[in-house]
Amino acid sequence: DVKVTQSSRYLVKRTGEKVFLECVQDMDHENMFWYRQDPGLGLRLIYFSYDVKMKEKGDIPEGYSVSREKKERFSLILESASTNQTSMYLCASLTGGPYGYTFGSGTRLTVV
Amino acid sequence: RKEVEQDPGPFNVPEGATVAFNCTYSNSASQSFFWYRQDCRKEPKLLMSVYSSGNEDGRFTAQLNRASQYISLLIRDSKLSDSATYLCVVNFGSARQLTFGSGTQLTVLP
Repeated sequence: DVKVTQSSRYLVKRTGEKVFLECVQDMDHENMFWYRQDPGLGLRLIYFSYDVKMKEKGDIPEGYSVSREKKERFSLILESASTNQTSMYLCASLTGGPYGYTFGSGTRLTVV
Repeated sequence: RKEVEQDPGPFNVPEGATVAFNCTYSNSASQSFFWYRQDCRKEPKLLMSVYSSGNEDGRFTAQLNRASQYISLLIRDSKLSDSATYLCVVNFGSARQLTFGSGTQLTVLP
């Protein structure tokens, strides 16, 4: 089974801090994604990457950046955390074919 | 108009009931369709893919209607453990990313 691991389940950060969310997948997948999920808004795509050092903006990239230096690792960076970035962050790897995504267990980030 | 729309519910049904969810999508070029299940405070997990001819997995049946651009999920003989949010997911054309509906909440009552 594909495994997607997010480094933290819960994080509390202060406004203005630089925050790194890490995601690692173990199946050599090219495509990886970062979403945030908020009540009533569903999952919204922040950024995705289809290869090492390649990235594309999703629907809500403002305030975020990403890094993909190695195929297995896709990092989401909040350059200067703000309270409106308090959310559940989900990383996914594209399994392809009839299998869709595999998600990591999520990071619940609170910015105070 | 949202690209993928679902009735948010909540659906509250007794154990043993049959319940159906519908989902409509806006892009006729959509290629792949899925239902995901998400438990409270957990990540979404693939429940089943949806094939053009319809498919069944135990108590769950998924249907696709390309002409009307909707997919459906039928759950028979509901169990308490079926309580969750069900997400309709669509892949539009050649895009690598999936687009999610906002989910339908189901609670199965004893």
